[in-house]
Order: sequence, then structure tokens, then C-alpha cells
Amino acid sequence: EVQLLESGGGLVEPGGSLRLSCEGSGFTFRSYGMTWVRQAPGKGLQWVSVISGSGGSTYYADSVKGRFNISRDNSKNTLFLQMDSLRVEDTAIYYCAKSAGRGYVYGWEFRGQGTQVTVSS
Amino acid sequence: DIQMTQSPSSVSASVGDRVTITCRASQGIGSWLAWYQQKPGKAPKLLIYAAFSLQSGVPSRFNGSGSGTDFTLTISSLQREDFGTYYCQQANSFPITFGQGTRLDIK
Repeated sequence: EVQLLESGGGLVEPGGSLRLSCEGSGFTFRSYGMTWVRQAPGKGLQWVSVISGSGGSTYYADSVKGRFNISRDNSKNTLFLQMDSLRVEDTAIYYCAKSAGRGYVYGWEFRGQGTQVTVSS
Repeated sequence: DIQMTQSPSSVSASVGDRVTITCRASQGIGSWLAWYQQKPGKAPKLLIYAAFSLQSGVPSRFNGSGSGTDFTLTISSLQREDFGTYYCQQANSFPITFGQGTRLDIK
């Protein structure tokens, strides 16, 4: 069974940093693209970033470009999101998800509970 | 960026009803559209990918259709467990974008 376990969220002051992790199991981790999607309180889904299976290709939403960095360690089946220069508007539940097929076009499987990030002074 | 617009924003229906949610893209996306269901306090669940392909384990009462700019998610016979918020998502190009969501309540 595919499982994703997000961790690393918490309360941080504006301008601070956090590193989120997402450990995958039940599938061949290195073979699938992975993504981060966030959801602000009471709001809809917002895509944040994506990384290819090898880690060689990455894409970012404009709202986080230059502040967030996505990476992965395939030897540890783990996805990361380094978040720097955090802003109040980054407050959200952050979900990681696995591509439902090879590439990025087959939708995303969300198999974790998400991790809460709160940016506040 | 490709904008995704869903309608209606909310719908209330009875068990057994046929429910239709539409999603319009601001430019053509071929068939690269996915649908998700999200229940309160839970992660989204993938229902449909590539516009009409049913994700494994999803009941056959969920049906997706459309191509280009106009897409539809139909629930053929609404069940009580189908409540929640439904989102469309375009997978044609980056940045990936979602619709604003359609809230489905059971009468």
C-alpha cells in the first residue's frame, strides 16, 4: 500500500525557515515524480513545487520561487521542501503527493495527513 | 498561467440524484485534467485522471468527460459518502493550477 508520511511543520516567525520531509513507502520511490501542494485555512488547493523521479527537474509556483527548494533522497525514499524567508501567507497545511503515473500528467496521489505550517509573530 | 473555473461553487443534492460539476480552462489543455474529492480534515483523493480515466478503487458512479477547455465530473447516483469538496486540476503545463472547488452537500 502506498503511504506518505509528512513531517517538519510547526510555528515559525516571518522571515524564518522550515524543512518539510515526506517519507514514501509501498512503491518504487525513485520512479515517480513528487509534488508539494498546500492549503491555507478555509481555502482551496495551491500547487507549490514538483520534482522528477531522478531529482534532475524541478518546477516552482511563482509565489515561492527563490524562497523554497524541493529535493529528494532516493536512497532514503524521502522528499524535502526547504522553506526560507517565510511569510504569513505561507501559512497552510502542506501535503506531499506521488504522481499517479510516469510523468506529471496523470494526477497526484495524496496518501498522507499533511503537515501544518504556521508563520506568525 | 492557465486559470481553472468550476461551477457551481456549491450544490446540495439527495441520495440517488445525478450530480454534474463543470470545470473550464482558460486555454486548451487537451485531456490533461484530473478531479479530486476532499473531505473535511482529510487529504484530497484522486478520482479521475486524463479527463475520463477512473483511478483504481474509485466507484464507477464517478465519470469524467471533456477535452480542450470544457470538462465535466458526473456522479451518476449520489451516495451519502460522496459529500465533500471537489477540485479540478490541469496537468497540461506548469504552473499546475486547481479550480476553486465545488462543495457538495447531501440533503
